Order: sequence, then C-alpha cells, then structure tokens
Amino acid sequence: SQTIHQWPATLVQPVGSPLSLECTVEGTSNPNLYWYRQAAGRGLQLLFYSVGIGQISSEVPQNLSASRPQDRQFILSSKKLLLSDSGFYLCAWTSTGFTEAFFGQGTRLTVV
Amino acid sequence: AQSVAQPEDQVNVAEGNPLTVKCTYSVSGNPYLFWYVQYPNRGLQFLLKYITGDNLVKGSYGFEAEFNKSQTSFHLKKPSALVSDSALYFCAVRGPWRGNTPLVFGKGTRLSVIA
Repeated sequence: SQTIHQWPATLVQPVGSPLSLECTVEGTSNPNLYWYRQAAGRGLQLLFYSVGIGQISSEVPQNLSASRPQDRQFILSSKKLLLSDSGFYLCAWTSTGFTEAFFGQGTRLTVV
Repeated sequence: AQSVAQPEDQVNVAEGNPLTVKCTYSVSGNPYLFWYVQYPNRGLQFLLKYITGDNLVKGSYGFEAEFNKSQTSFHLKKPSALVSDSALYFCAVRGPWRGNTPLVFGKGTRLSVIA
C-alpha cells in the first residue's frame, strides 16, 4: 500500500534562518506531489505542485521554493524565513488521473 | 477557474441528530468533487468522492454526499452525528480538463457535535 511521510512534525525557527521540509511517498511511482499551507487552522493554500522530477509549478510567488530531486521526494525550502511563513504545511500526492489526494501528517512551523 | 465555497464557518449539531455540511462549486465541465476531514494538528483524511454515476455517494465513517448538478452543490451528510465527528471538514474540486490539475479546497467548516 502507499504511504506518505512528512517531517519534521513541528519546527521552531528564527526569522532569517533557512528551511527544509521533506516529504516522501512509498508504494507508488511517478506521483503528482503537492505542498499546501494552512494558516490559523482554516483553508488550504496550494503552494507548489510537481508532475515529475525537476518539474515544479508555483501557484503563489513568495519566500518559498520547492524541489523534486527524486521521483517520490518533494522538498519545500526557504533561504530566509519570515514571520509570515508560520503555519501548518501539508504534503500530498495523487496518482495520474482524477483520483483523490492523500496527505501527510503535516509540519507545524513557527517562525520566531 | 475552479472554486469551492463552504458558506458556513461553523455547524453545531446535537449528538444523534442528522448533520449537513454545505458545499457549492464552480468549474467548467463536469466536476470531480471530494470531502476531507481534519482532526487537530493532523493531515487531511479522505472521506468520499464523486467522479461520475450515482448522485448519492457513500464514504467512510457513515458519511455520504449528494451531488446536485443543477444547484452546483455537493453537501456532506450523516444521518446520526457522533461526538467523535467533531472536526474540520473540507470540500474540494478538481477540474476535468487536465489530469494533473491540483485539488482546490474550500475554507473549511468546523463541525461541533454536542453530547
């Protein structure tokens, strides 16, 4: 069966520090991968999605970037964190086609 | 562009009563609709989906949803609410014209089931 792993679960970082969040999927190949951010326990904002290695689509220009160095690995990064980057970050995957998305357990990022 | 509206921020219901969480959508062509549930500090869990076929879709934990094309709605329902159903519920839509189109989510509705 397929599983998605996301870490770390919580992270407290100072303003101006770098960020790296990692997400990996097991049990499938060539997944579509997504990074969402959820602010204040409400709606989800799509940040990035990828349909293949090295292919990244950015939905919202901001202080973050994403990379997909391997088929089942998706990384969210920042060179310098801002206070406004605080939030709950969720990684998700879908198979090609009109299927549902499966989510990781999320990372709670607090920028101080 | 595709979009989803969840008109209620909060829904309160007594345990044992039926519950409805509302969702309306906007998309060109036939929609692909989903419901998710989120418990505190957790990822989203898939409940059910409508792709095609019967307008009444049954999902996990006794939930069901009714697709209404004329009203562009996809309301989530459960005949008898449980306290453990208290959570944040998200409706999502995916457009059909590209297989890799990301899901677009509503803002969420917080369901509170009172014992």
